[in-house]
Amino acid sequence: GENVEQHPSTLSVQEGDSAVIKCTYSDSASNYFPWYKQELGKGPQLIIDIRSNVGEKKDQRIAVTLNKTAKHFSLHITETQPEDSAVYFCAATWADNNNDMRFGAGTRLTVKP
Amino acid sequence: DAGVTQSPTHLIKTRGQQVTLRCSPKSGHDTVSWYQQALGQGPQFIFQYYEEEERQRGNFPDRFSGHQFPNYSSELNVNALWLGDSALYLCASSFDSPKTDTQYFGPGTRLTVL
Repeated sequence: GENVEQHPSTLSVQEGDSAVIKCTYSDSASNYFPWYKQELGKGPQLIIDIRSNVGEKKDQRIAVTLNKTAKHFSLHITETQPEDSAVYFCAATWADNNNDMRFGAGTRLTVKP
Repeated sequence: DAGVTQSPTHLIKTRGQQVTLRCSPKSGHDTVSWYQQALGQGPQFIFQYYEEEERQRGNFPDRFSGHQFPNYSSELNVNALWLGDSALYLCASSFDSPKTDTQYFGPGTRLTVL
């Protein structure tokens, strides 16, 4: 089955700096890679996703890159703000049978004002 | 447009008891997945319901069972609770289509087993 590893487990940046979170996956059949943001006491919120037919996707300050050959994908947040502080999870699944979505262990991002 | 809703918000049970958690999917969604999230970890897939049947199951014992109703809402039942079942239980909904695979999560139910 799919195994997703996520690094780093914690990340602290100054407001305005960039943050990068990296994930690797094991199953080459995986073709859908969402990123979720989870704030304290809340459920995960989808912030961006990418499918294996593209290498990069951007939405304002957030971007995701995918390297299918190396089986890794990354989340990039630019111009970080204190409200970006949360736990971020990457996930991987085979979207044609989107059942068993495997998550990374999470990255706790702290943005210092 | 209401998102995914779950009830109750919090629940405290003792070992050996049984619990039922409820989920209403996002409007227009027909598929419900359940996840268990232990403290400090990522969500783990329990099972998914579509057309009122369990479509796929993760690595969870038979003590975990579920149901989906004609209105697409769903229940998660856990029997013979033990301390290790303490976690945040998340429900996610999606629309079953080859072109639409995004799962949207509810706020979760925090279960504490004493």
